[in-house]
Amino acid sequence: GQNIDQPTEMTATEGAIVQINCTYQTSGFNGLFWYQQHAGEAPTFLSYNVLDGLEEKGRFSSFLSRSKGYSYLLLKELQMKDSASYLCAVRERDSNYQLIWGAGTKLIIKP
Amino acid sequence: DSGVTQTPKHLITATGQRVTLRCSPRSGDLSVYWYQQSLDQGLQFLIQYYNGEERAKGNILERFSAQQFPDLHSELNLSSLELGDSALYFCASSSGKGSYNEQFFGPGTRLTVL
Repeated sequence: GQNIDQPTEMTATEGAIVQINCTYQTSGFNGLFWYQQHAGEAPTFLSYNVLDGLEEKGRFSSFLSRSKGYSYLLLKELQMKDSASYLCAVRERDSNYQLIWGAGTKLIIKP
Repeated sequence: DSGVTQTPKHLITATGQRVTLRCSPRSGDLSVYWYQQSLDQGLQFLIQYYNGEERAKGNILERFSAQQFPDLHSELNLSSLELGDSALYFCASSSGKGSYNEQFFGPGTRLTVL
């Protein structure tokens, strides 16, 4: 069955590094997305992984291991504006290529 | 600005009523998705349209319906509203092509049912 797990909440310090994990069990994996969502606002696209390995984009990096059903989002040099929810979503071939969404990880940045 | 527009931004109505939410996708995008997000909850996929045709259905109630018009804008109709329908409703669009085919989200409509 479909299942995506992320920690509910994490706290980190401004200027530090934080890693948000996502594990999934899906049928017919076809890519993994990370989105950022500030409270009350629309989700915005951060990254996409379909092959194993690390994708780096500025302060944000995303890693994928398909054999382990595991991804993480790495945020470096944390800023207060990074306080948001981070949503992991897997595109599933067997669900007509729909995105299966995790519940999101609320990241709190402290000074 | 994602290029996806949604109206209205806020909607307050009473139980038992019917409302219509409207979405215009990004220029050139053929796919439109509707999501519901209740307070502090994850995104719940409702329905997807591609170039006017229904492509996939998620956890959409029978009281809810949607359509995509020839100009590709979409409407989500919610009827016999209940208190539990209060939520943020997002529309997203994608091109339907390419390996990424990421979804771009509109600003959402906040529905409050009293």
